[in-house]
This record gives sequence, C-alpha cells and structure tokens, in this order.
Amino acid sequence: QMHLVQSDSEVKQPGSSVKVSCKASGGSLRNHGITWLRQAPGQGFEWLGGILPLLGAANPTPTFQDRLALTADETSTTAYLELTSLTFEDTAVYFCARDGTHYRGAFDVWGQGTLVTVSS
Amino acid sequence: QAVLTQPPSVSGAPGQRVTISCTGTSSNIGAHYDVHWYQQLPGTAPKLLIFADTDRPSGVPDRFSGSKSGTSASLAITGLQAEDEAVYFCQSYDSGLNGRGVFGGGTKLTVL
Repeated sequence: QMHLVQSDSEVKQPGSSVKVSCKASGGSLRNHGITWLRQAPGQGFEWLGGILPLLGAANPTPTFQDRLALTADETSTTAYLELTSLTFEDTAVYFCARDGTHYRGAFDVWGQGTLVTVSS
Repeated sequence: QAVLTQPPSVSGAPGQRVTISCTGTSSNIGAHYDVHWYQQLPGTAPKLLIFADTDRPSGVPDRFSGSKSGTSASLAITGLQAEDEAVYFCQSYDSGLNGRGVFGGGTKLTVL
C-alpha cells in the first residue's frame, strides 16, 4: 500500500518562498496524478492544482499561476509544490493527494500535511 | 467561501442515523459531476469515504452511504458510533473552473 510522506512544517517570512515535498513510499507516482490542496486554520479545502508526474504536466489553478510551481522528479517518486511571494494569507496546512484511478479521481491516498506558517 | 454548501454541524446519539447535505449548483453537482465524501479526524489527513456519489472503497463500513439528486448530495451515517465524530467534507468538480475540484466547507459531526 502506497503512502505519501510530506516534508516537515515550515515558518516563513512574508515575501519569501516555500517548497513542500511529497514522496511516494511503497510505490510510484508514475500512474497517478497528484493534486495539491491547502486548508487554512478552521477552514475548508482550497484546490491549488495538479501534476502528472510521468509527463511532468502541471496544471496550477489560475489564482496561483503566477507564484505556484508544481514539479516532480524524473523518477516519479516525489512531487513538489513551490509557492513564492508568501503573504500571511498563505498560512495553511498543505496536502498532496493521489488521484485514485479506481475511484473516479477521488483522492484515495493523502499526505499527512505540511503546516506552512507565514510570520514576521 | 466554499463553493459547495454544507451545514456547519450535525449531531446524533449513538445508534441513530444522521445525514449531511451538500448543496451545489448547475455548474457542479447539477452538471452530473461525481461527488466524493471524506472524513477528517482532528489533526489528520482526510480519508475517502464515498466516491462517485454512492460507492464505498473497500474497508469503509456500509453504515456510510451516499446519494445525489439534482444539485445536491447527501451522506448518511447509520448506527452512529463515537468514533464517527469527525468533520465530513464533500467534493465535486465545476465546469466554470475548467473541471477543477471544489469542496464544501465541512460539517462537524458530534456524537452525543
């Protein structure tokens, strides 16, 4: 059974950048899409975008397109999210989730989440 | 502001049945996009409960069921148990967002 293991929590200053990793443990991302979402404290989920690691094809949500980069390594075991020009409103738990090919695209495997705190 | 509307909270006694609604529009649920449901326990990642409106992944008890009609979907939980206390989210897709996903704001289930 594959697990997604994300990088540790980060504290960043406004205007800086953060890079979050999502590593497949016990499997590969080659045959799956990965979607990135975030959840601000006490809030629902916000869809950030997705990537097909095998093709390297990324589709960030237009709202974030200018400052969001979604990438994956060439072995298709790790996906990355990099968000630039951070503001206080970017404080949230960032999740990667696997698009379940047997579940009509529902997210069947989730990373544990990475808390990104933007603070001066 | 969540695109899909869920009640902020519901409650029920052990053994009872509760339902959680998820209301959308003609550009998402009403456009026949799949609705998925997730359970999130405090401080943990969500777990897939229901996919494609009504289907359960293996391992999810049949106490959990989903339905959809028009622009709304519902999650029903029967035989309520203490461990069901969690936040439940619905998710679908929206044609106005080029098919990207949208979520409900989440419903906190309290088992009395």
